[in-house]
Amino acid sequence: EVQLVQSGAEVKKPGESLRISCKGSGYSFTTYWISWVRQMPGKGLEWMGTIDPSDSYTNYSPSFQGHVTISADKSISTAYLQWSSLKASDTAMYYCARRLMVTPERRWFDPWGQGTLVTVSS
Amino acid sequence: QSVLTQPPSVSAAPGQKVTISCSGSSSNIGNNYVSWYQQLPGTAPKLLIYDNNKRPSGIPDRFSGSKSGTSATLGITGLRTGDEADYYCGTWDSTLSAEVFGGGTKLTVL
Repeated sequence: EVQLVQSGAEVKKPGESLRISCKGSGYSFTTYWISWVRQMPGKGLEWMGTIDPSDSYTNYSPSFQGHVTISADKSISTAYLQWSSLKASDTAMYYCARRLMVTPERRWFDPWGQGTLVTVSS
Repeated sequence: QSVLTQPPSVSAAPGQKVTISCSGSSSNIGNNYVSWYQQLPGTAPKLLIYDNNKRPSGIPDRFSGSKSGTSATLGITGLRTGDEADYYCGTWDSTLSAEVFGGGTKLTVL
């Protein structure tokens, strides 16, 4: 079974750093890119960026470029999303998702991780 | 403000049919394929439709997708209370060079 398993919920203070993880199993981890998606409380889905685990090439949404870092360790089939200095506005659920792309026009996300809730509060 | 526009909510009675629209532009839906995702309360999104109208294995044929020009539509027939969820459309935007989603539509089965 193809699945993505994310790390557990985090509670942090403003200014602290954080790295959350997403471990893939049931498929060749380096064959498919991994994306991160943010969902703020009561809001919709926002694409943050994507990484190619085979060479760690990344592509960020302009809205998140410079605010987060996406990385991957292909030796342990794990992708990461990290912050160097959290803000209260980073409070959200974060999902990783495997991106399938047949051609640049034909792409979709499947499966999704279960989500990691990040709460930033003083 | 989402790049793709969806109605905030739709509702229908059990057993009935409902459609959810997703409107975009030539830079996204007009020249790229659309996918749809179902997010049941308190759970992660799940792929429902890809390539405009294809269903992954395990998705019942009560769910269908279509696309015309710069708009896409998700259809659900034989509604059940278990279909109550948020539904999102998604595609690639060639101008923004970004994956984009609709704002989501909350389906209520009355």
